Amino acid sequence: NAGVTQTPKFQVLKTGQSMTLQCAQDMNHNSMYWYRQDPGMGLRLIYYSASEGTTDKGEVPNGYNVSRLNKREFSLRLESAAPSQTSVYFCASSNRDRDTQYFGPGTRLTVL
Amino acid sequence: TQLLEQSPQFLSIQEGENLTVYCNSSSVFSSLQWYRQEPGEGPVLLVTVVTGGEVKKLKRLTFQFGDARKDSSLHITAAQTGDTGLYLCAGGANTDKLIFGTGTRLQVFP
Repeated sequence: NAGVTQTPKFQVLKTGQSMTLQCAQDMNHNSMYWYRQDPGMGLRLIYYSASEGTTDKGEVPNGYNVSRLNKREFSLRLESAAPSQTSVYFCASSNRDRDTQYFGPGTRLTVL
Repeated sequence: TQLLEQSPQFLSIQEGENLTVYCNSSSVFSSLQWYRQEPGEGPVLLVTVVTGGEVKKLKRLTFQFGDARKDSSLHITAAQTGDTGLYLCAGGANTDKLIFGTGTRLQVFP
């Protein structure tokens, strides 16, 4: 039982490059989330998916897209990376909205 | 937009000291969660409080939800080096997603 897994753990991109962050959970949770964490800002919600086949914007969605591939997997895509997207990205899952969220180990992304 | 402000932002203390971390909002929440995050890892839930005035204890940690459900506190008695980490509160309202606070970074020195 791995919980929530994220790949990659670290990534360096040049401005304008694209990449996809992968997330998978094995707890049969309905809801999945993508957050970014910046110093002094706590966790800010980028996108979430309340169930398979649905996605909704969070607080800071600009510059990102997501795909809920199936119940287990929720990916985050940066189409054209910008230095402002340098951050640590966390994926989380929960059984329902506002329930306990289980987090992955994070992806540390640097955009040069 | 609902906001959760935590104070202090940073706290550096010696082992054995007591401390309190605060989480405040102008909004009412139906539940309040506290998470701890260690370096290089994701946050992990410590406790959830749901009733105004509720107090929960987890060993040396005491959590309280304000009577009006707009604020919460975390008190640690006799801090240990293992308590070092980032403490995050997160509020849930009836129809919205969890809102995370700004975080309190605690460093406990031996």
